[in-house]
Amino acid sequence: QVQLVQSGAEVKKPGASVRVSCRTSGYTFTNYGISWVRQAPGQGLEWMGWINAFNGDTHYAQTVQGRVTMTTDTSTSTAYMELKSLRSDDTAVYYCARRPAMAPFDYWGQGTLVTVSS
Amino acid sequence: DIQMTQSPSTLSASVGDRVTITCRASQSISSWLAWYQQKPGKAPKVLIYKASSLESGVPSRFSGSGSGTEFTLTISGLQLDDFATYYCQHYNTYWWTFGQGTKVEIK
Repeated sequence: QVQLVQSGAEVKKPGASVRVSCRTSGYTFTNYGISWVRQAPGQGLEWMGWINAFNGDTHYAQTVQGRVTMTTDTSTSTAYMELKSLRSDDTAVYYCARRPAMAPFDYWGQGTLVTVSS
Repeated sequence: DIQMTQSPSTLSASVGDRVTITCRASQSISSWLAWYQQKPGKAPKVLIYKASSLESGVPSRFSGSGSGTEFTLTISGLQLDDFATYYCQHYNTYWWTFGQGTKVEIK
């Protein structure tokens, strides 16, 4: 069965960086993209960007462009999201999701809470 | 950028009610719209794709309609399990945008 398993919760200070991993299984990793979505406490869903696992192409939302880097390791079927220059308003649960071509996200990770606090 | 606006933000309803949530796009998106359900502490779950297609395994009381700029999600016969937050999402080749969400509460 398809599974996306994310790394554990992180606490970071303002200005630091965080890297969240998303280990996938149960499907051919390079046949799909991986999107990242975050949700601040009590708020809605914000799409951050996606990476094409086949060729590594990325597309980032303007709200995080310049601070976010999405990568993949095809040898371990794992996707990574790194966010730099963290601010308090980056505190959120970060989700990875499988992205089929021209279709909504069909499988999601369990979420990773990133807390940014001094 | 295309903006997605949902209404209402909160909706109070009773078990058995018919519930309708609206999502408007700032420009035409054809039928590239999905609806998700999210419960507290859980990842979202897709209900509807391409505006009106029911995702496999989703109960038939959920239905979607619309095209262009106006879309609706209808729950016919609200069940206890349906009290949750619902999001619309525009998707295309490279970009995705969520609506701000509609919380369905117990009246």
